[in-house]
Amino acid sequence: EVQLVESGGGLVKPGGSLRLSCAASGFTFSSYTMNWVRQAPGKGLEWVSSMSSSSTNIYYADSVKGRFTMSRDNAKNSLFLQINSLRAEDTAIYYCAKRLSGSPLDYFDDWGQGTLVTVSS
Amino acid sequence: IQLTQSPSSLSASVGDRVTITCRASQGISGYVAWYQQKPGKAPKLLIYATTTLQSGVPSRFSGSGSGIDFTLTISSLQPEDFATYYCQQVNSYPLTFGGGTKVEIK
Repeated sequence: EVQLVESGGGLVKPGGSLRLSCAASGFTFSSYTMNWVRQAPGKGLEWVSSMSSSSTNIYYADSVKGRFTMSRDNAKNSLFLQINSLRAEDTAIYYCAKRLSGSPLDYFDDWGQGTLVTVSS
Repeated sequence: IQLTQSPSSLSASVGDRVTITCRASQGISGYVAWYQQKPGKAPKLLIYATTTLQSGVPSRFSGSGSGIDFTLTISSLQPEDFATYYCQQVNSYPLTFGGGTKVEIK
């Protein structure tokens, strides 16, 4: 069974930083492109970033480019999102999501439960 | 690529046929998915590549469309289908989602 467990969220002041983690199990993590998707309270889904299995290809939403950095450690089956220069509008639940098995495109067939990031003074 | 979903909400009864549309700002080659999200839960993949039903998803869900217009249909609404539905395009980065359609009980 695929499991994705996010951690690292919390309350942070504007301009602060956090490092989110996603621990993966139940599949060959090193073979899959992984993504981060966020959802502001009461709002819709927003894709944040994508990283290929070997970390070769990385993409970011314009809203986070230059402030967020995605990385992964395939030896530890872990995904990370370093978020800097936080703004109030970054307040959201952050989900890690796995690419659909066998697909060359980023449909997401497994999601974590999410970790809440709250940016407030 | 912007995705515009309509309606943003709807009220329906159990057994109703429900249709949700998603219009893209440009062609997306059929690379569209649909997700269902219930309160406090992560989204669930229902359909991908316009028409392909994800494993384990009931056959009352179906997808159609081409070009810039895509549709999710629930043939006979069940109590467990009351949720918010999102379309997503994966044709190009940045990936984008529609604004969502909340399906409520009439």
